[in-house]
Amino acid sequence: DQQVKQNSPSLSVQEGRISILNCDYTNSMFDYFLWYKKYPAEGPTFLISISSIKDKNEDGRFTVFLNKSAKHLSLHIVPSQPGDSAVYFCAATINNNDMRFGAGTRLTVKP
Amino acid sequence: NAGVTQTPKFRVLKTGQSMTLLCAQDMNHEYMYWYRQDPGMGLRLIHYSVGEGTTAKGEVPDGYNVSRLKKQNFLLGLESAAPSQTSVYFCASTPGQFTEAFFGQGTRLTVV
Repeated sequence: DQQVKQNSPSLSVQEGRISILNCDYTNSMFDYFLWYKKYPAEGPTFLISISSIKDKNEDGRFTVFLNKSAKHLSLHIVPSQPGDSAVYFCAATINNNDMRFGAGTRLTVKP
Repeated sequence: NAGVTQTPKFRVLKTGQSMTLLCAQDMNHEYMYWYRQDPGMGLRLIHYSVGEGTTAKGEVPDGYNVSRLKKQNFLLGLESAAPSQTSVYFCASTPGQFTEAFFGQGTRLTVV
């Protein structure tokens, strides 16, 4: 029962362009969403989060958008840099009980 | 500042053998977690702890045991390893329950 889904296993973009990573969820009770970034042979690191009371959160080049009616969130990276090449996981939690992760999307930013 | 440290980084076990994975954090976090990551799947929670001396089951607890005797350490045990437990295991800690997590570098376990 995968409640958080990242349907694109991989994404390739050109340096300087926008990267858009998508995440869908099935449980409307999720109230907090997070994105993590993972480099090979390292653990995931927290990137950005958003509460369900907001529809956008921005941190530098990274912006997360939440569309509750569609049960969809997306991470925008502008401009994309080669150092952004990594696997990105979205995660969701309900009232700080449990946390469910998507399967991840591998982003490759080409110079 | 080391953050979250996992020991060992790699291990190969034979079916039926036992082992313990150690996780140590130096951030004074109350909450600690063990996840496993398998190809095509997200991280799945095995067990977690909300403080010293406490443990709780996560999504996939069968075949694993945990202990939190000290606040800074969280141990994951496999009593009788099975090939289905071949995975990458991540430990994490958080300042609040299921808030932004700090992860260790992972342990790649292969059971043959």
